[in-house]
Amino acid sequence: SAVISQKPSRDICQRGTSLTIQCQVDSQVTMMFWYRQQPGQSLTLIATANQGSEATYESGFVIDKFPISRPNLTFSTLTVSNMSPEDSSIYLCSVSRGLAGGPSTDTQYFGPGTRLTVL
Amino acid sequence: SQQGEEDPQALSIQEGENATMNCSYKTSINNLQWYRQNSGRGLVHLILIRSNEREKHSGRLRVTLDTSKKSSSLLITASRAADTASYFCATTTGFQKLVFGTGTRLLVSP
Repeated sequence: SAVISQKPSRDICQRGTSLTIQCQVDSQVTMMFWYRQQPGQSLTLIATANQGSEATYESGFVIDKFPISRPNLTFSTLTVSNMSPEDSSIYLCSVSRGLAGGPSTDTQYFGPGTRLTVL
Repeated sequence: SQQGEEDPQALSIQEGENATMNCSYKTSINNLQWYRQNSGRGLVHLILIRSNEREKHSGRLRVTLDTSKKSSSLLITASRAADTASYFCATTTGFQKLVFGTGTRLLVSP
């Protein structure tokens, strides 16, 4: 499995501000994913982040609202921009365990999540 | 939405009893996975079953898959208080993208 950390673990933010969430993996991985889990709900994929290319966003999510960086094979950031109370959620990153340049497995390993509250 | 459905939404049992959760999905899949989430934290991978498999075991976990009915079940035998969590099924259709079910909240009382 992979060891994944996220920062911050939680935050309370004001409406209209932005928050950048960091995801660090203990080894190089090809694919990283960002999910949102709204209160009491299941997880929804926001985007897939591959190193060296633009992130691929799912329907309903746009780059202006959720810009993603993937500067190397062990790190990614997700920014939640111009926040509103509806953005209050847990944001989770995950990785598909696979060595860079090689095939990824279908099993995904998740970070501990970032609990965001927007006032 | 392609999201799968799980039932029951919530399940409350006593320690030692078995817990069964069901998952239905909508499209053809490569595999189906089950995850556990404790208190709104990160997800822990439990088990993966491929589309050509019908049953899989891991410790106290038993997973079945019926692709003709587009359904899966997760059985936890001899449950413990530590099994209290939310359980999600997730399907993969390609490119490692997971589509999660709605989840089942399991409460195991001592």
